[in-house]
Amino acid sequence: EVQLLESGGGLVQPGGSLRLSCAASGFTFSSYAMSWVRQAPGKGLEWVSSISPSGGNTYYADSMKGRFTISRDNSKNTLYLQMNSLRAEDTALYYCAKETGGAAIGPLDYWGQGALVTVSS
Amino acid sequence: DIQMTQSPSSVSASVGDRVTITCRASQGISNWLVWYQQKPGKAPKLLIYAASSLQSGVPSRFSGSGSGTDFTLTISSLQPEDFATYYCQQTNSFPPTFGGGTKVEIK
Repeated sequence: EVQLLESGGGLVQPGGSLRLSCAASGFTFSSYAMSWVRQAPGKGLEWVSSISPSGGNTYYADSMKGRFTISRDNSKNTLYLQMNSLRAEDTALYYCAKETGGAAIGPLDYWGQGALVTVSS
Repeated sequence: DIQMTQSPSSVSASVGDRVTITCRASQGISNWLVWYQQKPGKAPKLLIYAASSLQSGVPSRFSGSGSGTDFTLTISSLQPEDFATYYCQQTNSFPPTFGGGTKVEIK
């Protein structure tokens, strides 16, 4: 059974940093692209970032470029999202999601339960 | 960036009704269109990919159609468990943008 378990969310002050982790199990992690998608309270879905199976290719939404870094450790079956210079508008539930293939832009067939990030003073 | 526009933003329907949701892309995306269902407090669930291919395990009352810029998601006979918010997403080019969502509510 595929499982994605996010951790690392919490309350952080504006300008602060946070690192999210997503522990994956139940599939060959190194064979699939992975993504982060966020959802602000009461709002719709917003793609954040994606990474290729090897980690060699990464992609970001413009508003996160330069502030967020996606990475993965295939030996630990874990996906990461390092978030720096956080703003109030980054407050959201951050989902880790598995892609159906390796393109880093494909459909997302499994999602975690989400990690809540709150940016507030 | 490709803009995805869904309509309506909400729809009230009864069990057994046929429901159609539309998604329009700001430029042609061939058939690179995905539909998700999201229930309150839950993660999204993949329903349809490549505009019309049903994800494994998804009931056949869900169907998708379209290509280019105009797409539809149809629920042929609405069931109680189908009341949720539906999102389209284009996977043609980065960033893979989502539509604003359509909430299907009980009439």
